[in-house]
Amino acid sequence: EVQLVESGGGLVQPGRSLRLSCGASGFIFDDYAMHWVRQAPGKGLEWVSGISWNGNMKGYADSVKGRFTISRDNAKNSLYLQMNSLRAEDMALYYCAKASGGDIVALGVPFDSWGQGTLVTVSS
Amino acid sequence: DIQLTQSPSFLSASVGDRVTITCRASQGISSYLAWYQQKPGKAPKLLIYAASTLQSGVPSRFSGSGSGTEFTLTISSLQPEDFATYYCQQLNNYLRTFGQGTKVEIK
Repeated sequence: EVQLVESGGGLVQPGRSLRLSCGASGFIFDDYAMHWVRQAPGKGLEWVSGISWNGNMKGYADSVKGRFTISRDNAKNSLYLQMNSLRAEDMALYYCAKASGGDIVALGVPFDSWGQGTLVTVSS
Repeated sequence: DIQLTQSPSFLSASVGDRVTITCRASQGISSYLAWYQQKPGKAPKLLIYAASTLQSGVPSRFSGSGSGTEFTLTISSLQPEDFATYYCQQLNNYLRTFGQGTKVEIK
């Protein structure tokens, strides 16, 4: 059974940094692309970032480009999101999601498994 | 960037009703569209991909259709467990954008 467990969320002041982690199990982690998706309180889903199976290709939403960095450690079956210069509008539940293929630019590849999310609160 | 617009944003329906949700893309995306269901306090769940392919384990009362810029998700006979928010997602480029969601509530 696929399991994705996010951690690292919490309360952080505007302008500070936070690093999210996602531990994966139940599948061959380095065969699949991974993504981060966030959901602000009471709002819809927003794709944040994705990384290919080998970490060579990364993509970011315009809203986080230059501030957030996605990475993965296939030896540790883990996905990360380094979030710098946090803003109030970054406050959300952050989900880790597994793609059904290995390439983030492959057409038609959906997100077939999701974690339960980790909450990031940005407030002074 | 490709924008997705869902309609309606809110839908009130009864058990047994046939429900249809529309997702329109700002430019053609072939059949590269997925649908997800999200229940309160839970993670999203993949229902349909490639516009019309049912994900394993999803009940057959769910169906999807469309290509290009207009897509639909249909629930043939709404069940109590189907009351949730539904999102479409374009898979035509690496910016995997979502629609704003359609909340299906009990009438």
